[in-house]
Formats: sequence, C-alpha cells, structure tokens
Amino acid sequence: QVQLQQWGAGLLKPSETLSLTCAVYGGSFSGYYWSWIRQPPGKGLEWIGEINHSGSTNYNPSLKSRVTISVDTSKNQFSLKLSSVTAADTAVYYCARGRSITIFGVVITSYYYYMDVWGKGTTVTVSS
Amino acid sequence: SSELTQDPAVSVALGQTVRITCQGDSLRSYYASWYQQKPGQAPVLVIYGKNNRPSGIPDRFSGSSSGNTASLTITGAQAEDEADYYCNSRDSSGNHLHWVFGGGTKLTVL
Repeated sequence: QVQLQQWGAGLLKPSETLSLTCAVYGGSFSGYYWSWIRQPPGKGLEWIGEINHSGSTNYNPSLKSRVTISVDTSKNQFSLKLSSVTAADTAVYYCARGRSITIFGVVITSYYYYMDVWGKGTTVTVSS
Repeated sequence: SSELTQDPAVSVALGQTVRITCQGDSLRSYYASWYQQKPGQAPVLVIYGKNNRPSGIPDRFSGSSSGNTASLTITGAQAEDEADYYCNSRDSSGNHLHWVFGGGTKLTVL
C-alpha cells in the first residue's frame, strides 16, 4: 500500500520561502507524476505543479514564477519551494501521486489521468 | 488556462439519486476524475477514466461524460456521502501540460 508522508514548516512570515517535502513509501517512484496541491481555508483545491522521477516539471502558470519542485530519487522524495510568500499562500498543502493508464479499445485508445494517492496535508500559515 | 465549473452546492434526500456535474473545455480531450473530501481530511479518489472505481469505493458511485461535461452520480445516497466533491482533469491548453480542478460541490444528504 503506497503511502505519502509529508512535512515542512507550518508558520512563515511574509516574504519567506515555503519548503515542504513528501516521501513515498511502499511503492515505485518511477512511472508517476508527483504533484503538489493546496487548499486555502474554506476554499477549493489548486494544483501547484508536478515532477516525474527524471526531474521533468510542469507548473501552474499562475504560480510558476515562485515555484520550484525537485526530486531526490535516492530517497523517493520530492519537494516544493514557494518563494516570497504572502498571506494569500496560507493553505493546507497536499502531495499526491498522479498516474496515467492507457486503455486499448477495439476502435479507439483512451488515456486516463488521475491522482490516486494523497498525503494527509500540511497546514501552512503565513503571518507577520 | 482552462477551468472546470461545478455547482457550488447540491442536496439529495437519503436513498435518492444525485448527479454532480463538471464543465470545461479540457473535458473534450481528457476524462475527468472525481474526489470526495470530508472535513479535515485529504481528498479521496472515487471515480477515474470513463467510469472506474478504485478498490473500496462503493458501486453506488458512477461516472459519465459527454462533450465538455462530466458527471458523478450517486445512486442511493447515504448519510456518509455528505462531503465536498471535486472534479479534475489533465489539460494541455497553452501548449503546456497541467492539471485543473473544479471549484467543488458541497453535497448535503437530507
């Protein structure tokens, strides 16, 4: 059973850099997309970005200038850094495993993308 | 970037059927997946692909899609189904690959 365990600083001051790490236990690290998602208090989910085992990244355009996601395959871990935080970055931050599968049909081939394993979340508060 | 639109709130009587919808351009190219989130907990995947349930998800949950709209149907809603539901999908608009989430639907079971 794959589990994601995440940790990082929970209280930051404005302009500091948020840093979180997510470790993958009980499963392969390669062949998946490893994402960070956040949820401000009382609001919906926002995708931040992702990385695969080879270090290829995709970021949410609205956060791209401040986000860096990195991977340490020797430890089966991936990390998030978000620079110059403000109160608007206060949220619960989740790590999640994204995967894709290919379904070969008689006529067409379909591709399924989904996030099947999530970390428990880390509450990050930005306050002076 | 693309957006996914959901109704903010839906209610259903205990034991009845409810449909939660999600609209967006990305759904013309990618299937939606659906997540259930209860207060203070991480989201849980309930439907992915054309209509697939992860192990442990009751068969009263089902999914469908047509054009730019995806739907999550709960047939015979139970009290424990009261939660927030989010859709998401891959999106390749703007020549870069990313994920998008809907704004979420709060389901109340009466």
